[in-house]
Amino acid sequence: QVQLVQSGAEVKKPGASVKVSCKASGYTFTNYGISWVRQAPGQGLEWMGWISAYNGNTKYPQRLQGRVTMTTDTSTSTAYMELRSLRSDDTAVYYCARDLNIVVDHSLGSTAMGSWGQGTLVTVSS
Amino acid sequence: SYVLTQPPSVSVAPGQTARITCGGNKIGSRSVHWYQQKPGQAPVLVVYDDSDRPSGVPERFSGSNSGNTATLTISRVEAGDEADYYCQVWDSGSDHPRVFGGGTKLTVL
Repeated sequence: QVQLVQSGAEVKKPGASVKVSCKASGYTFTNYGISWVRQAPGQGLEWMGWISAYNGNTKYPQRLQGRVTMTTDTSTSTAYMELRSLRSDDTAVYYCARDLNIVVDHSLGSTAMGSWGQGTLVTVSS
Repeated sequence: SYVLTQPPSVSVAPGQTARITCGGNKIGSRSVHWYQQKPGQAPVLVVYDDSDRPSGVPERFSGSNSGNTATLTISRVEAGDEADYYCQVWDSGSDHPRVFGGGTKLTVL
């Protein structure tokens, strides 16, 4: 079965960077895109971006452009999300989520996010 | 960017039917997905493409979408259905193409 296992909790100081990993198993890694979604304490879900595990193409929302980078390592079926210049309002649980369906041209599409990692708490505090 | 509006909370007695709405401009022309999130857990997809259910999701969960409102319907509500529910759509061409609603807390009385 599909499994996404994320790295452990992190505590960072403002201005630092964090890199969260998401190791996939149970399917052909390069066939599906992966999104990253975060949830601040007591708040809703925020989509942070998407990466194609097939060709590494990415899509980030404007508000995170320049601070977030998503990558994959196909040799280990692992996706990564790096967030730089951390602020206190980046404190959140970060989730990776795999596309439900294969998109024919491996682009970001309307498919749902079908499988989720367990989440990684990132705390930004001085 | 596209805005999805959900009621903050819905309450229902066990065995009754819960309806959670998701409003958006001409949302009926988009595919809507619904996620369930229980406290301290990751979200779980319960309905996709308006009305399809992933394997393992009970038939009690169903969805519909028309006009400016999509609805997640949970029949014969159980205590274990108490959770936050989020709708999500694809806003192609947008800077922020995967959009979530603000979430609805379902309370089972």
